[in-house]
Amino acid sequence: SQTIHQWPATLVQPVGSPLSLECTVEGTSNPNLYWYRQAAGRGLQLLFYSVGIGQISSEVPQNLSASRPQDRQFILSSKKLLLSDSGFYLCAWSTGAGQPQHFGDGTRLSIL
Amino acid sequence: KQEVTQIPAALSVPEGENLVLNCSFTDSAIYNLQWFRQDPGKGLTSLLLIQSSQREQTSGRLNASLDKSSGRSTLYIAASQPGDSATYLCAVVSGGGNKLTFGTGTQLKVEL
Repeated sequence: SQTIHQWPATLVQPVGSPLSLECTVEGTSNPNLYWYRQAAGRGLQLLFYSVGIGQISSEVPQNLSASRPQDRQFILSSKKLLLSDSGFYLCAWSTGAGQPQHFGDGTRLSIL
Repeated sequence: KQEVTQIPAALSVPEGENLVLNCSFTDSAIYNLQWFRQDPGKGLTSLLLIQSSQREQTSGRLNASLDKSSGRSTLYIAASQPGDSATYLCAVVSGGGNKLTFGTGTQLKVEL
C-alpha cells in the first residue's frame, strides 16, 4: 500500500532563517506531488505541484521554492523565512489526473 | 477563477442525527470533487471522490452527491457519532495538473 511521510511534524524558526521540509511517498512510482499551506483562519492554498522529476509549477508568488530531486521526494524550501510563512504545510500525492489526492500529516511551522 | 464555498461554517448536532453539509463552486467545468475530513492539527483524510460524470458516491454512512450544472455538492452523514466530529472540506479540480481548490470547511461537532 502507498504511504506518505512528512517531517518534521512541528518546527519553530526565527525570521530570516532557512527552511527545508521534506515529503516522501512509498509504494507508487511517478506520482503527482503537491505542497499546500493552511494559514490560520484561511483555507488550504496550493503552493506547488510536480508531475515528474525536476518539473515544478508554482501557483502563487511567494518566498518559498520547491524541488523534486527524486521520483518520490518533494522538498519545500526557503532561504529566508518571513513571519507570513507561518502555517500548516501539507504534502499530497495522486496517481494522476482525475485521481484522488492523499495527504500527509503535515508540518506546523511557527516563525518567531 | 474557481471559488468554493461551504455552508454552514460550523454545525453542532446530537448523536444519532442525520445531517447534510453543503458545498458550492462557481465554475461548473470541473473534473471531479473530493470530500475530506480533517481532525484538529492533523492532515486530511480522503472520504469520497465524485467524477464529473457521476451523480453520487457512497461509503458506509457517507453519501456525497454532485449537481455539476448548478455547482453544488452535498455530503450526507447518516446516524452521526461523536467520532464524526471534525472539519469537513470539499475541493474541486477544474484545471490542468489535477490541482484542488478547497472550500474553507464545515466544523462539525457531534454531541453525546
